[in-house]
Amino acid sequence: DTAVSQTPKYLVTQMGNDKSIKCEQNLGHDTMYWYKQDSKKFLKIMFSYNNKELIINETVPNRFSPKSPDKAHLNLHINSLELGDSAVYFCASSRSRGVGTGELFFGEGSRLTVL
Amino acid sequence: SQKIEQNSEALNIQEGKTATLTCNYTNYSPAYLQWYRQDPGRGPVFLLLIRENEKEKRKERLKVTFDTTLKQSLFHITASQPADSATYLCALDKGGGATNKLIFGTGTLLAVQP
Repeated sequence: DTAVSQTPKYLVTQMGNDKSIKCEQNLGHDTMYWYKQDSKKFLKIMFSYNNKELIINETVPNRFSPKSPDKAHLNLHINSLELGDSAVYFCASSRSRGVGTGELFFGEGSRLTVL
Repeated sequence: SQKIEQNSEALNIQEGKTATLTCNYTNYSPAYLQWYRQDPGRGPVFLLLIRENEKEKRKERLKVTFDTTLKQSLFHITASQPADSATYLCALDKGGGATNKLIFGTGTLLAVQP
């Protein structure tokens, strides 16, 4: 009964490949996010979707493309992977998009290693 | 530039003592601030939220203060236990907008020695 689940948990791939990470939440939340945590443990927001609509798009290379087929799912596709993309990617959800709407619920993370 | 800073070094304390973690921010006007716990290999887990008009919030052994003049939040764990050992992250909203956009600090690693 995992609230926010993401797959795969581990991903090892070569530079130049394309890969996807999938995320699903069963909390009934309207808003979902992708965060990137680098080797120094700094957690940085990448994207946010509210009910399938993109509402936050931080300065992220075009190689990263999020897709939300419905409000319970948010996937992340990465083209032409680079060494610097190696990180842990966290999916999260919150009740709604508004400021002060409460906490984020995080998935367990997907560790991407680019060789 | 906007910054959120937490104790950069690990905090080591003895079991039973009170752990105090600091979160300082500059060039933000957050409406609220949150604290999360992160264990190795796991996602962050929400602990407490405090709003700008609240000075203090408590939950069991946890206490958070929020001083918007000093631009600082303090996170206290009383009667600490080895199970409290983890990385603690503060997060605040970027302020001034309608979107829940949490910005995280770099975290403080707490180690409680038995």
